[in-house]
Amino acid sequence: AQTVTQSQPEMSVQEAETVTLSCTYDTSESNYYLFWYKQPPSRQMILVIRQEAYKQQNATENRFSVNFQKAAKSFSLKISDSQLGDTAMYFCAFMVPGNQFYFGTGTSLTVIP
Amino acid sequence: DAMVIQNPRYQVTQFGKPVTLSCSQTLNHNVMYWYQQKSSQAPKLLFHYYDKDFNNEADTPDNFQSRRPNTSFCFLDIRSPGLGDAAMYLCATRSGLAGREEQYFGPGTRLTVT
Repeated sequence: AQTVTQSQPEMSVQEAETVTLSCTYDTSESNYYLFWYKQPPSRQMILVIRQEAYKQQNATENRFSVNFQKAAKSFSLKISDSQLGDTAMYFCAFMVPGNQFYFGTGTSLTVIP
Repeated sequence: DAMVIQNPRYQVTQFGKPVTLSCSQTLNHNVMYWYQQKSSQAPKLLFHYYDKDFNNEADTPDNFQSRRPNTSFCFLDIRSPGLGDAAMYLCATRSGLAGREEQYFGPGTRLTVT
């Protein structure tokens, strides 16, 4: 069975600072994909960043980057230069091709002015 | 812009009165999903379609049904809503092509049961 664990239910960060959200997963598969999704309050869930398991290089998207440790089954999200618009629920998700998404329980991030 | 659209955004229904939520997409994606999301929780998959092939999750109540008349549209029918069915319902799509595994979500329909 695939599981995704986000151990930080809530986090806060000062504007312009850096914050790291943690995610671990469990699988016996070798080929899979990992995602971070952002869901602002009362707004649409959007994809922040994705990582293919076969790629060793960590994905980056502007201020967002991941630290993918395949052996440790860890997939953390780093947000640099935090902005007020980054306030949202962040979900880590895992997928084996051809199967469903498995979501973590989410981390509620608040950026403090 | 290509997108996933859900109507209505807010739906109020009475206990036991059937309700239908709709989802449409302009992405021409093969796969469409329906999720139920309760407050501050992760989305819970109800079912999905790969083209016309319907896949029901084992723990999805019989009260929930779905229809996909064509590639663009998918409907969620709740035959007899209970108070416990009040939630946000999210529609999502995925292309179905190898290497394009990310899902694209609609804005959701918030269902209130009175």
